[in-house]
Amino acid sequence: GAVVSQHPSRVICKSGTSVKIECRSLDFQATTMFWYRQFPKKSLMLMATSNEGSKATYEQGVEKDKFLINHASLTLSTLTVTSAHPEDSSFYICSARDPVIAYEQYFGPGTRLTVT
Amino acid sequence: AQSVSQHNHHVILSEAASLELGCNYSYGGTVNLFWYVQYPGQHLQLLLKYFSGDPLVKGIKGFEAEFIKSKFSFNLRKPSVQWSDTAEYFCAVNAWNDYKLSFGAGTTVTVRA
Repeated sequence: GAVVSQHPSRVICKSGTSVKIECRSLDFQATTMFWYRQFPKKSLMLMATSNEGSKATYEQGVEKDKFLINHASLTLSTLTVTSAHPEDSSFYICSARDPVIAYEQYFGPGTRLTVT
Repeated sequence: AQSVSQHNHHVILSEAASLELGCNYSYGGTVNLFWYVQYPGQHLQLLLKYFSGDPLVKGIKGFEAEFIKSKFSFNLRKPSVQWSDTAEYFCAVNAWNDYKLSFGAGTTVTVRA
């Protein structure tokens, strides 16, 4: 099946700094990628939809200036958490829409962000 | 927007026991339904999906799910679980014309050897 990778898998940063997380589709081109946030013992919350070559679409309540998303190529989307604070600590997961079976998504392994 | 509820937060059972996890959604239109599994330390994997047709769907690893439209339900079942089925299970839904997934809160399944 299709593979989606994320980098880094874990990152620790200091409060006030910015962190970039990469999401790559390794063996297919993804025009649409999604970014989720998963809290401990909680479900995945969709943050935004990343469309190649256009602006991301953010879900209600997600600060677009804080969570910058760039989808510059058909295989790469990035999420930058700007001016990170401890409350931004979470597990961030990306997914890529299957180009053939459009309603399916392939998920990355996630990135654990800890802000100290 | 759709919402998804999973009835069981944590299920503990012994090997060879049968498993059934409940999932209900709220959306008046046509939906696509999914069950995902997240093994410890691993990424989400698709167990099975329903788009249309036979409401009884068979997936990987012996799992199946039944879509009951009148009950807005898509319950997951496995007749005989194994220790390796210990994982987090998520039900997810999207509207037929929308790629965005709405997830349930997840059910932690612990299978004791």
